Amino acid sequence: DIQLTQSPSFLSASVGDRVTITCRASQGIRTYLAWYQQKPGKAPKFLIYDASTLQSGVPSRFSGSGSGTEFTLTISSLQPEDFATYYCQQLNSYSYTFGQGTKLEIK
Amino acid sequence: EVQLVESGGGLVQSGRSLRLSCTASGFTFNNYAMYWVRQAPGKGLEWVSGISWNSGNIGYADSVKGRFTISRDNTKNSLYLQMNSLRAEDTALYYCAKDRGPYGSGLDHWGQGTLVTVSS
Repeated sequence: DIQLTQSPSFLSASVGDRVTITCRASQGIRTYLAWYQQKPGKAPKFLIYDASTLQSGVPSRFSGSGSGTEFTLTISSLQPEDFATYYCQQLNSYSYTFGQGTKLEIK
Repeated sequence: EVQLVESGGGLVQSGRSLRLSCTASGFTFNNYAMYWVRQAPGKGLEWVSGISWNSGNIGYADSVKGRFTISRDNTKNSLYLQMNSLRAEDTALYYCAKDRGPYGSGLDHWGQGTLVTVSS
């Protein structure tokens, strides 16, 4: 199975900061990567697919990039509602594994 | 509005079976791949199983392969997960999720989950 490793696992930042989360795949997955946001007690929310395409309704401060084995999720200017846990997921081949998550906390 | 409602969770003894169901509404169910994803208490997301729109492509995580079976009934807008030989490590909140297309391209809608607790 393809393994996804996110870094960092924890990130402390302030409102207005620009933050970047990295997701590395154990083998090439082209651009078959999605990103999700999850808040405590809630189901995950779909943010980005095909590595860089923003899902409808997601604010433009979110962006994704990458291909092959290295991907990034960037939030250009953190808003209070962005503090959450973020997951990447590969959809190149079954099983569609998730990264371990990155918890974004308020500094 | 897309709605996914899971049911069938509960407390079960190790080694026993449980069948989860997910009833879908608000979209053309037979056009989309569907999935089960679980989350153990305080842990991250774990992809469990997926099924394409026509049941022609099915996959499982190694952790459940041979014990769990995914299926769907497009006439009933329903997704199922038959879970056999349950273990304590299967304890989790089980989410039903919809793909944005007929095959894997991203899970764009999720249910609220059904809790499975396996006692040893």
